[in-house]
Amino acid sequence: GDSVTQTEGPVTVSESESLIINCTYSATSIAYPNLFWYVRYPGEGLQLLLKVITAGQKGSSRGFEATYNKETTSFHLQKASVQESDSAVYYCALGEGRGTGSKLSFGKGAKLTVSP
Amino acid sequence: EAAVTQSPRNKVTVTGGNVTLSCRQTNSHNYMYWYRQDTGHGLRLIHYSYGAGNLQIGDVPDGYKATRTTQEDFFLLLELASPSQTSLYFCASSDEGGGAETLYFGSGTRLTVL
Repeated sequence: GDSVTQTEGPVTVSESESLIINCTYSATSIAYPNLFWYVRYPGEGLQLLLKVITAGQKGSSRGFEATYNKETTSFHLQKASVQESDSAVYYCALGEGRGTGSKLSFGKGAKLTVSP
Repeated sequence: EAAVTQSPRNKVTVTGGNVTLSCRQTNSHNYMYWYRQDTGHGLRLIHYSYGAGNLQIGDVPDGYKATRTTQEDFFLLLELASPSQTSLYFCASSDEGGGAETLYFGSGTRLTVL
């Protein structure tokens, strides 16, 4: 089946430093799956950070970026300068398509701690 | 912004106990999901539904039942709870199937089975 492998936490970065959280995927039933990054802040549910549904495109939100690379089957999350408020758990996810039966496969999550 | 509310936030029960986790969404989304989150695993799908009265089996359904009573309400039932079901449970909703659509999550229910 589909799978997502990502950097697992904990990840500790100092404020204003750069960040990369790696994500690679394997999709068995569709050549170009939909790719997502979700984030879970302490005490909250997951929320969508960004998504890209077209291979080769880049998604961005709140200073984070991720590029859908079909050659390397990767979707790494990057930020040039992190803030304390970015401390959270980040999940890479893959979706096969649309409609009935479509669902997401999630990575294990990477807990990011940004130190002041 | 879609709102998904789970209750209770925390629950402790004993082995063999009967537990019901509740989820309500207020955006009239068609799809609702129950996931569990355990250390060392990604979110794993237990059951999902695409409308009132509909139920679909997810990837880890053993030991769980679910019921979608209305468009808004989706319940997860553990009729004979076991310690292996100690976990953080998330409910989510989406307008269409979750392969491309954004999922909106509740804040989670932490269940402990002693």
